[in-house]
Amino acid sequence: DIQMTQSPSFLSASVGDRVTINCKASQNINNYLNWYQQKLGEPPKLLIYNTNNLQTGIPSRFSGSGSGTDYTLTITSLQPEDVATYFCLQHSSRPLTFGSGTKLEIK
Amino acid sequence: EVQLVETGGGLVQPGRSLKLSCVASGFTFKNYWMSWTRQAPGKGLEWVASITNSGGYTYYPDSVKGRFTISRDNAQNTLYLQMNSLRSEDTAAYYCVHSSVFDYWGQGVMVTVSS
Repeated sequence: DIQMTQSPSFLSASVGDRVTINCKASQNINNYLNWYQQKLGEPPKLLIYNTNNLQTGIPSRFSGSGSGTDYTLTITSLQPEDVATYFCLQHSSRPLTFGSGTKLEIK
Repeated sequence: EVQLVETGGGLVQPGRSLKLSCVASGFTFKNYWMSWTRQAPGKGLEWVASITNSGGYTYYPDSVKGRFTISRDNAQNTLYLQMNSLRSEDTAAYYCVHSSVFDYWGQGVMVTVSS
């Protein structure tokens, strides 16, 4: 099984900051990496699919990058509504596996 | 607009069965793989099952293989998850998920396994 190591688990930043969240796969996942935002009491919402493709309707301050085993979600200019938990998902091979999540808070 | 509405959750005793349903709308259901994922209270996400668009192939992680069965009725635009031999560790919110890219998720339905 592919293990997804997500970091940090908790992040506190100020409005306007640039924020990065990382996921490291235990083996090459060939860019099959999604990023999700989950607000309290809601289902996950897809932000980025296949490493760097912005899902329709998602603000352009969200972006993704990476290759091989290392992937990054970047939020440029953090907004108050970005408070949420963020997860990565590898869908390169079964069993599909998620990162453990990053809880993002506004300072 | 893609809509996925799950039903069938509730409180069930260990060892018993439960069947979840997910009614889909806003897309051509028969053309897409579908999946179930789950999230235990306060925990992370776990993939539970996937099914091809025709229903001919199904996939599961070891944690549910042999106990859970995913199926679909393309005429009724409905996805199912039959859960047998339920355990306390199956307690979670269960989400119906659209496509092999896992792009759209339902609101989820809670399953609580407890005596």
